[in-house]
Amino acid sequence: GENVEQHPSTLSVQEGDSAVIKCTYSDSASNYFPWYKQELGKRPQLIIDIRSNVGEKKDQRIAVTLNKTAKHFSLHITETQPEDSAVYFCAASIRGGSNYKLTFGKGTLLTVNP
Amino acid sequence: EAQVTQNPRYLITVTGKKLTVTCSQNMNHEYMSWYRQDPGLGLRQIYYSMNVEVTDKGDVPEGYKVSRKEKRNFPLILESPSPNQTSLYFCASSLSTGANVLTFGAGSRLTVL
Repeated sequence: GENVEQHPSTLSVQEGDSAVIKCTYSDSASNYFPWYKQELGKRPQLIIDIRSNVGEKKDQRIAVTLNKTAKHFSLHITETQPEDSAVYFCAASIRGGSNYKLTFGKGTLLTVNP
Repeated sequence: EAQVTQNPRYLITVTGKKLTVTCSQNMNHEYMSWYRQDPGLGLRQIYYSMNVEVTDKGDVPEGYKVSRKEKRNFPLILESPSPNQTSLYFCASSLSTGANVLTFGAGSRLTVL
């Protein structure tokens, strides 16, 4: 089955700096890679996703890049703000598959210091 | 309001006392899933359902049961809870496997003594 590795497990940055979280996956058939943000005491919520036919996607201060050959994808947050502090999860799945399963990484605790 | 509703939100129980955590969604979603979240282990899938009467095991199904008799409901059953099932549980749903965007419930924190 799919295995998703996520690094680092914790990340501390100063407000205004950039943050990068990296994930690798094992199943070359995976074609959908979402990122979820979980604030303290809250439920995970989708912040951005990318499909395997795209190499990069941006949404304001957030971007995701995908390298299918190397089987890794990354989340980039620019101009970080204290409200970006949260746990971030990457995930991988085969979109539309008959045996659909979304596998999550173990999460990265991002702390943005004012 | 479109949402996934879980109950109870908090529960303390004892070893061996059967319990059910309910999950209901009002978005006519086909796909529903249960995850448990433990420190350092992330979100691990317990069971999922592609549609009514179709369920399958996730990564950590031992000690759990599910059913999907109606499209909107996907209860998680712990027949004989044990302390290692102490965890934060999330139910989630999506329109279909093609849609993929998961909407999560608020979570149910379960403690088994």
